[in-house]
Formats: sequence, C-alpha cells, structure tokens
Amino acid sequence: SYELTQPPSVSVSPGLTARITCSGDALPTQFASWYQQKPGQAPVLVIYRDNERPSEIPERFSGSRSGTTVTLTISGVQTEDEGDYYCQSADNSGSYVLFGGGTKLTVL
Amino acid sequence: VQLVQSGTEVKRPGASVKISCKASGYTFTSHYVHWVRQAPGQGPEWLGIMHPSTDSRTYAQNFQDRIIMTSDMSASTVYMELSNLRSDDTAVYYCARDVSAITMVRANWFDPWGQGTLVSVSP
Repeated sequence: SYELTQPPSVSVSPGLTARITCSGDALPTQFASWYQQKPGQAPVLVIYRDNERPSEIPERFSGSRSGTTVTLTISGVQTEDEGDYYCQSADNSGSYVLFGGGTKLTVL
Repeated sequence: VQLVQSGTEVKRPGASVKISCKASGYTFTSHYVHWVRQAPGQGPEWLGIMHPSTDSRTYAQNFQDRIIMTSDMSASTVYMELSNLRSDDTAVYYCARDVSAITMVRANWFDPWGQGTLVSVSP
C-alpha cells in the first residue's frame, strides 16, 4: 500500500531553520500539502500544491519538492511554530487521500 | 468560511454514529467535503469525500462497507455515518472543505477544517 514517510521528530533552536521531509512513491504525480496541528486543535493548512502558501500563513513557511520527496522549511523558527506537522497527498489516481505519520517539531 | 460540527458522541460497540457538519460563508454546492479522523496520539486518517450536490462519493477502502456520507443542501450540511463501531473507532472526527471551487474538480487539500467531534466507543 502507498505510504508517506516523515521523521517522527525534528528539533531546532529559535531563529534557525527547520526542515521536515516527506517521502512517497506517488509524490511525483500528485501535489503535496502540509498541515500544522497544535494540541487540542484542528489541523491548519500551511502549504498547498507543493510550495504555495495561504495568505494568512507567515512567509517563513515554504515548501519544495525533489523527486519522491517534499520538504517543509520553516526559516527563522519561532517558539509558536512548535507542534505536529503532517504532509498529505493522494495516490496516483488522485482518488484516495493519505497523510504522513507526522513530525513533532520542538523549538528548544 | 466555517464548518461547525455536532457534539461529542459516546457509543457502545456495534452501534452507529452520525456526525453533522454545517457549512457557512461560501457556496455550499461548489466544494467537495472530506472526512478525516484522528485517533488519540495518532496522525490523521482519511475516511472519504463527497460532493454536496451530486452523488459523487469516494470512500477509503478500509471503510467502504460501513461508512455513508450524505448531504442536505437546504441546510448546507453534510453528514457522515459510521456503523458497526469498534473500540478502535474512538477518535476525533473532522470534516474539511476541499479548496477547489471548480465544478466536480478536487484539489485534495483542505481548508478550513471543522472543530472536530469526539466519538468514544466503549462497552
């Protein structure tokens, strides 16, 4: 079955750059999105269509793709960026959606 | 744009649950709606998608035999019913709007999400 693989955790000091990767065999044929989730809250879209950012999301959030891997980059990380981050895409047909297992971002 | 879901549900194994998701702030019939669940301490799991004004539905393969998604256009509300509940169905269930406003075209990313509905299944 198709899967999206993320590292379980990433730690970074405030002001530095955090990179969270997501790998999956169908990623070359489907766009990826990223969601931020804080405890007790619903996920929030931070990146869509690989590298586009909703207007309300800070510019320090960006996305990129290379082959079967997409990357969420947070430049100049702030303490408020702590949370869980999930990549999301679809299978090759675009019919079935799936999520990565999630990455817990800790700002030390 | 807002999606408001119904409240917490407590169910026994074998029962069914039906959750509502009321949309406001946009043209209800222009966007697909997805359903996603998240078990305690786990990542999101996609359950399926439906278009409110057509019979277009796709269910995740793991749920095809016990999930039904419906809509009431007069109330701008979509529903998700899950039957034959088990303890591992305990989760927060979310509805989420597909961002594409192009007729019958899915973007497959979600914004916004509802606030979530906790479904607890225990004997």
